[in-house]
Amino acid sequence: KAGVTQTPRYLIKTRGQQVTLSCSPISGHRSVSWYQQTPGQGLQFLFEYFSETQRNKGNFPGRFSGRQFSNSRSEMNVSTLELGDSALYLCASSYRPTENTEAFFGQGTRLTVV
Amino acid sequence: DQQVKQNSPSLSVQEGRISILNCDYTNSMFDYFLWYKKYPAEGPTFLISISSIKDKNEDGRFTVFLNKSAKHLSLHIVPSQPGDSAVYFCAASLFKAGGTSYGKLTFGQGTILTVHP
Repeated sequence: KAGVTQTPRYLIKTRGQQVTLSCSPISGHRSVSWYQQTPGQGLQFLFEYFSETQRNKGNFPGRFSGRQFSNSRSEMNVSTLELGDSALYLCASSYRPTENTEAFFGQGTRLTVV
Repeated sequence: DQQVKQNSPSLSVQEGRISILNCDYTNSMFDYFLWYKKYPAEGPTFLISISSIKDKNEDGRFTVFLNKSAKHLSLHIVPSQPGDSAVYFCAASLFKAGGTSYGKLTFGQGTILTVHP
């Protein structure tokens, strides 16, 4: 069974640009969450999607957005990039959307803003 | 406000001995706890979890203990192996029926475990 797949693995963007990251969850998983990992802040929750609906959102500015497609694949977008957006962006998928269950993470996308 | 804390930034253990990683939380509403292992530039790998209705869960060399009154959980690795060297994160989740807590894990800052041969 394939794991969570994130593309691209590495990305370099210029300040002010926008970026789109992609996540394909484990087959059968309908819940997808996104996290940002930075050395100073650790792993921070961005948002969660289930059945193409955003059910939960973390404390990030509106420049961070996402969406989920009918096949459960998800994308996140960051507009007007800032240097502080440089981070490892992680996607996690879960099977049961209404119960506590483990989340499985992808390899992440390393975004560098210059 | 850090709701999940791992107060030890690092831990060094000899191969074959026990590794004990600790985690404290402040939100008594958390009802599910997880441990993840992470290598640099990779995503976290799920290790073991425990529901708040239990106080212990075992999976092979890994055992998680939960002390709800102390709001404390710990991960025991026995015996420790050099391949266990990584950063370990504890995480907590909160389920509210009909609420907006779905999918959110609150992570600690991590503990770097080094297992020496």
